[in-house]
Amino acid sequence: AQTVTQSQPEMSVQEAETVTLSCTYDTSESDYYLFWYKQPPSRQMILVIRQEAYKQQNATENRFSVNFQKAAKSFSLKISDSQLGDAAMYFCAYRSRFNSGGSNYKLTFGKGTLLTVNP
Amino acid sequence: NAGVTQTPKFRILKIGQSMTLQCTQDMNHNYMYWYRQDPGMGLKLIYYSVGAGITDKGEVPNGYNVSRSTTEDFPLRLELAAPSQTSVYFCASTKDRGGTDTQYFGPGTRLTVL
Repeated sequence: AQTVTQSQPEMSVQEAETVTLSCTYDTSESDYYLFWYKQPPSRQMILVIRQEAYKQQNATENRFSVNFQKAAKSFSLKISDSQLGDAAMYFCAYRSRFNSGGSNYKLTFGKGTLLTVNP
Repeated sequence: NAGVTQTPKFRILKIGQSMTLQCTQDMNHNYMYWYRQDPGMGLKLIYYSVGAGITDKGEVPNGYNVSRSTTEDFPLRLELAAPSQTSVYFCASTKDRGGTDTQYFGPGTRLTVL
């Protein structure tokens, strides 16, 4: 079974600064997807960024980018030019690419990192 | 296009009561999921469905039941509510498992069992 670990329960950053959230995962699979989801106080789960394991290039979405280290099983999220609206709980998640006993249907989540943005 | 909608947003139940959490998506997605989120934790999969008439258990199915009679709707049933079921429940959907693999989430239902 896959596991996802977020070792930082809380992080804070000054507005306009850069912050990196850490995520490690454990899997025996070679092909999978990794995600970062944002959960603001409204509790809506919002997809921030997605990475395919077979792609070596790190995904980027505007101010959000990832550092995907497949051998180290590490998937960190970098937020540049932090904004007050970035304050939220951030979840790292894993999904198998191929079906093995229904495993590719589910997302496996970490416990989350609460990001505070200070003005 | 409303995406994934859930009702109710909040509910308080007494121990032993039953209720149904509603989930509807208007994106013609084949795959639908129910997750629960306990305080300070990530989401855990309760049940999922790969199409109308087909459902299967996830990680934490005990105490819940589901049905999928249409592509759009995927209700979650709690038959005998217990305090351990106090949680926030999220419904999600995807077009298929080999597509974008992005799960679209509903706004959640906060359930308290007293």
